[in-house]
Amino acid sequence: KNEVEQSPQNLTAQEGEFITINCSYSVGISALHWLQQHPGGGIVSLFMLSSGKKKHGRLIATINIQEKHSSLHITASHPRDSAVYICAVRFNNNDMRFGAGTRLTVKP
Amino acid sequence: DAGITQSPRHKVTETGTPVTLRCHQTENHRYMYWYRQDPGHGLRLIHYSYGVKDTDKGEVSDGYSVSRSKTEDFLLTLESATSSQTSVYFCAISVTPDTQYFGPGTRLTVL
Repeated sequence: KNEVEQSPQNLTAQEGEFITINCSYSVGISALHWLQQHPGGGIVSLFMLSSGKKKHGRLIATINIQEKHSSLHITASHPRDSAVYICAVRFNNNDMRFGAGTRLTVKP
Repeated sequence: DAGITQSPRHKVTETGTPVTLRCHQTENHRYMYWYRQDPGHGLRLIHYSYGVKDTDKGEVSDGYSVSRSKTEDFLLTLESATSSQTSVYFCAISVTPDTQYFGPGTRLTVL
């Protein structure tokens, strides 16, 4: 069964803190995506991963295929990073499933 | 930003009425998707299209139908809206089945 789980559901941090959001999935995948949903509702794609690690500015995404786990890290967090972060997985049978999201609030 | 628009952006309707949501793209992308987003569930695929007149069901397709008569338009129809279809609906487009670009969303309330 194709399942995606994210943790934590909600996360509050102080500005400058290092943030980690986790995503676990059930079976083999072809790709994993991290998305950001702004408070206004718009959704943008941050990363697509099939192995290893990717970095864009203060955002780092990693994936461990053997452990079926991915993490999204935010270094030196800022209030503008406040958003819902969503993990999306394309399974090997081409089914795409989304995690329920992690609501991040960064306080000044 | 990918050229995706959704209309209407907000709609309130009554149970039993038909509702059509429109997704329009200017990118000529092959794939188009309709999702619904509900608290605690994340995004769930309703229907998708892989070309003009080529559509298929997603995870939560019951009560919904779609049509794609032109590359740029993907319509989602609720034949007889129910309160359980109150949700935020997102359209997405992609060149390949991977990286998708999302529209701004439509908030639908069924009373």
